[in-house]
Amino acid sequence: DIQMTQSPSSVSASVGDRVTITCRASQGISSWLAWYQQKPGKAPKLLIYAASSLQSGVPSRFSGSGSGTDFTLTISSLQPEDFATYYCQQANSFPHTFGGGTKVEIK
Amino acid sequence: QVQLVQSGAEVKKPGASVKVSCKASGYTFTSYGISWVRQAPGQGLEWMGWISAYNGNTNYAQKLQGRVTMTTDTSTSTAYMELRSLRSDDTAVYYCARVHSSSFDYWGQGTLVTVSS
Repeated sequence: DIQMTQSPSSVSASVGDRVTITCRASQGISSWLAWYQQKPGKAPKLLIYAASSLQSGVPSRFSGSGSGTDFTLTISSLQPEDFATYYCQQANSFPHTFGGGTKVEIK
Repeated sequence: QVQLVQSGAEVKKPGASVKVSCKASGYTFTSYGISWVRQAPGQGLEWMGWISAYNGNTNYAQKLQGRVTMTTDTSTSTAYMELRSLRSDDTAVYYCARVHSSSFDYWGQGTLVTVSS
């Protein structure tokens, strides 16, 4: 199975900050990577698919990059509604494993 | 609009089975797969498996092999996930999600399954 490792596991940031979350795959997954945002008590929401494609309706302050084994999710200017937990997920091969999550907290 | 509506919360005893439904609307059901994901209390997301709504092909997480079955009913655009021989560590919120471009673009609201004696 492909292991997905996210870092950091949590980050404290202020409104307006630039936040970067990284995700590393245990083997190459080309660009088969998605990013999700989850708020407490809610289902996850797709932000980025195919490593860098912005899902319809998602604000442009979210961006994704990377290929192979190393990926990043960047929030260019953190907004109050962005405080949540973020997960990466690989879809290169079954099982479609998730990273452990990164909690973005208010500083 | 695309919607996935799941069945309600369940409380089960250890050793029992649970079957969660996921009714799709707003799109052609057989054109997309459905994946199931669960989340134990306070924990991360765990991929459970995938089913093609087109032909019923499945792929399950190895740790659940033999205990999980995913099916679809194309006449009602509904996907089902059955988990047998329930244990306390199966207590979780279970989600269905539509698979598009190998990502999950629409999710159900989640179904809490509690396993307790």
